[in-house]
Amino acid sequence: DIQMTQSPSSLSASVGDRVTITCQASQDISNFLNWYQQKPGKAPKLLIYDASNLEPGVPSRFSGSGSGTDFSFTISSLQPEDIATYYCQHSDDLPFTFGPGTKVDIK
Amino acid sequence: QVQLQESGPGLVKPSETLSLTCTVSGGSISSYFWSWIRQPPGKGLEWIGYIYYSGTTNYNPSLKSRVTISEDTSKNQFSLKLSSVTAADTAVYYCARHKPDRRLSPFDSWGQGTLVTVSS
Repeated sequence: DIQMTQSPSSLSASVGDRVTITCQASQDISNFLNWYQQKPGKAPKLLIYDASNLEPGVPSRFSGSGSGTDFSFTISSLQPEDIATYYCQHSDDLPFTFGPGTKVDIK
Repeated sequence: QVQLQESGPGLVKPSETLSLTCTVSGGSISSYFWSWIRQPPGKGLEWIGYIYYSGTTNYNPSLKSRVTISEDTSKNQFSLKLSSVTAADTAVYYCARHKPDRRLSPFDSWGQGTLVTVSS
């Protein structure tokens, strides 16, 4: 199985701050990396797919980049409604696996 | 806009079989891949397996011996059965749809999730 790691595991930032989360795959997954947002008690929501493609309807302050084994996810200007846990997930091969998550809250 | 809704017992006894159904509305289950994903309380996400409308399935090797995913196209539903459950199977279970462009694609629509507790 492809193992996914994320850092940091949690972060606290101010409204308007730029926030970056990194995700690393245990082997080359090309650009088959996706990012989800999960708010408490809710299902995950797809934000970014194939490393850098914004899912329709998702605000443009969210972005992603990377390829191979190293990826990043950025919120350009943190908003109160962005409080959530963010997960990366690969779709390069089976089984699909997710990173352990990064919890983002407001300072 | 497609909507997914999980249904089934919220409590299952150890060693018994967990059974859940996902009802899809606002679209047909045909021509898409559909998955089950679970999340133990306070923990991360685990993919369980998928089914394609043709009946093709693929399961996570960690659960493969205990999992069956099936479909009922006449009801626009697909189902999960997980046998010989233990407390470690206690989780919120989600059904989800894959983006339509390829087999190995991300999950673009999710059900709200249903908590299944394994306890006697």
